[in-house]
Amino acid sequence: GDSVTQTEGLVTLTEGLPVMLNCTYQSTYSPFLFWYVQHLNEAPKLLLKSFTDNKRPEHQGFHATLHKSSSSFHLQKSSAQLSDSALYYCALSDGTGGYKVVFGSGTRLLVSP
Amino acid sequence: DAGVTQTPRHEVAEKGQTIILKCEPVSGHNDLFWYRQTKIQGLELLSYFRSKSLMEDGGAFKDRFKAEMLNSSFSTLKIQPTEPKDSAVYLCASSPGTGMEVFFGKGTRLTVV
Repeated sequence: GDSVTQTEGLVTLTEGLPVMLNCTYQSTYSPFLFWYVQHLNEAPKLLLKSFTDNKRPEHQGFHATLHKSSSSFHLQKSSAQLSDSALYYCALSDGTGGYKVVFGSGTRLLVSP
Repeated sequence: DAGVTQTPRHEVAEKGQTIILKCEPVSGHNDLFWYRQTKIQGLELLSYFRSKSLMEDGGAFKDRFKAEMLNSSFSTLKIQPTEPKDSAVYLCASSPGTGMEVFFGKGTRLTVV
């Protein structure tokens, strides 16, 4: 079945340093990949979504590139801000294999001054 | 536009009780999901409906968890009987369809004592 793996449970870094959160997936078909962000006491909300034409999605300084060869969709940002501290989930939606949305276990990002 | 509405926001139950969580999806959305959120497991899929039809009932959660979608604008998640290990945040979410953004409710925090 479909699955998403996020290897880091917690990432801590200093403001201004680059961010990279890992995401790999397994799917029989060609899924859509997503990043969702959840701030404290809020619901998860969409941050980024992969494009079918391989364009690189960007939002709020974050970007992610879908690499089908390595089944990865890592989240990156050139310079972390304090407000980026949150829980980040990678997810996939497989339109041909079952339609459900599967989430990874999440990575908590803590940015300190 | 109204988002996904979940009630109650907090629930305290004694072990062995039956509890029912409620969800109103975004109007017009075809897909409805129930997830359990814990720090260790992240977001675990409990049930998934497409156009009111149950597509997936979450495997390991089948025995005590039952989700229903009585009409396109209302769903319930029944846990019977509750156990302390069920203590978690239960999130309801809806989506227009495959490959599209999932919108989450604010969740119900369940504590089983």
